[in-house]
Amino acid sequence: EVQLVESGGGLVQPGGSLGLSCAASGFSLSTSWMHWVRQGPGKGLDYVAGISGDGTWTAFADSVKGRFTISRDNAKNTLFLHLNSLRAEDTAVYYCTRETWDHWGQGILVTVSS
Amino acid sequence: QAGLTQPPSVSKDLRQTATLTCTGNSNNVGNQGAAWLQQHPGHPPKVLSYRDNNRPSGISERFSASRSGNTASLTITGLQPEDEADYYCSAWDNSVIAWVFGGGTKLTVL
Repeated sequence: EVQLVESGGGLVQPGGSLGLSCAASGFSLSTSWMHWVRQGPGKGLDYVAGISGDGTWTAFADSVKGRFTISRDNAKNTLFLHLNSLRAEDTAVYYCTRETWDHWGQGILVTVSS
Repeated sequence: QAGLTQPPSVSKDLRQTATLTCTGNSNNVGNQGAAWLQQHPGHPPKVLSYRDNNRPSGISERFSASRSGNTASLTITGLQPEDEADYYCSAWDNSVIAWVFGGGTKLTVL
């Protein structure tokens, strides 16, 4: 059974940093593009970043380019998102999801507030 | 960042047919097709179709997707109470080199 489990969220001050992890099971991360998608309170889905199966290609939304980095450890079957220079508007539930959107984690809340 | 355009809300009667639309441009919907996702409150999204009408196993045949030019559509037949949800479209955009989402359509089943 495919499972994606996010961790690492929490409360951070504006300008701060945070690291999110997404542990995958039931399939090999190396076979899929993986993505992070977020959803602000009461808002719609917002693409954040993606990374290819071998890690050589990445994609970022303009709103996070230069502030967020995405990486993966295929040996540990884990996807990462590092969030820097956080702003109040980055407050959201962050989901990790697979290439064809067929599996999603339950999401992890990131709150940026002083 | 350029996104896709969806009507904010659609209301239809039980057992009727709803058609949701998603308008993009030649860099996204018109080029790569669109995916459709359903989201109930408090739950992660669930994919209904990927790249136009590729429907994952387990998704009801009541859901069908299509595309005409730069506009993708999701048709839901025989509306049921459980179809009341938010629906999002998504597509790869060659100009921004990233996926983009529509703002979502809230479907109400009366």
